[in-house]
Amino acid sequence: GAGVSQSPRYKVAKRGQDVALRCDPISGHVSLFWYQQALGQGPEFLTYFQNEAQLDKSGLPSDRFFAERPEGSVSTLKIQRTQQEDSAVYLCASSVTRGLYEQYFGPGTRLTVT
Amino acid sequence: DAKTTQPPSMDCAEGRAANLPCNHSTISGNEYVYWYRQIHSQGPQYIIHGLKNNETNEMASLIITEDRKSSTLILPHATLRDTAVYYCIDGSSNTGKLIFGQGTTLQVKP
Repeated sequence: GAGVSQSPRYKVAKRGQDVALRCDPISGHVSLFWYQQALGQGPEFLTYFQNEAQLDKSGLPSDRFFAERPEGSVSTLKIQRTQQEDSAVYLCASSVTRGLYEQYFGPGTRLTVT
Repeated sequence: DAKTTQPPSMDCAEGRAANLPCNHSTISGNEYVYWYRQIHSQGPQYIIHGLKNNETNEMASLIITEDRKSSTLILPHATLRDTAVYYCIDGSSNTGKLIFGQGTTLQVKP
């Protein structure tokens, strides 16, 4: 069956540009997570959705970061006015329901800000 | 910040058991021990989890000490494809989010 997919896989943006990263979770999965992974580091939590509700956005590093999941399936992470420190791999994960269940991760989007 | 501590790297010979330790010094009673791994250029992959008892699945075994302050992930017959970064995580069922540390880079050698 289809896993979690993310697009684009690679994105190069010039500093100051806006970017949008897409996540298609496993069909029927209620919970969706976004993580940021800098080079050589473990993933860091950004935000969490249960269906269309964003229940935790405590990990978003600044107000330039915005995430949405309007219909409770596909999610988009938007970064406005990108900075070099935003360069990282952005990972999306989904799980079957709320709470701590196995999370299925996508391959990630590698963002490079030049 | 991560709540668990792991050695930064380990080597293992192919075909041998790989034993990866983790310290959970601040784990609370309702938190589970989770293990994920991340193969180069891929997203993390769930391996196993447990609360108090030892667990085994098709991928690995998990040993949790009685005081729950440490755990060991065991890959019984490591292969070259097991080369990855392994993360242990104290998981709260309340939040669902995973707090990753630096992990242990396991290198399986022929």
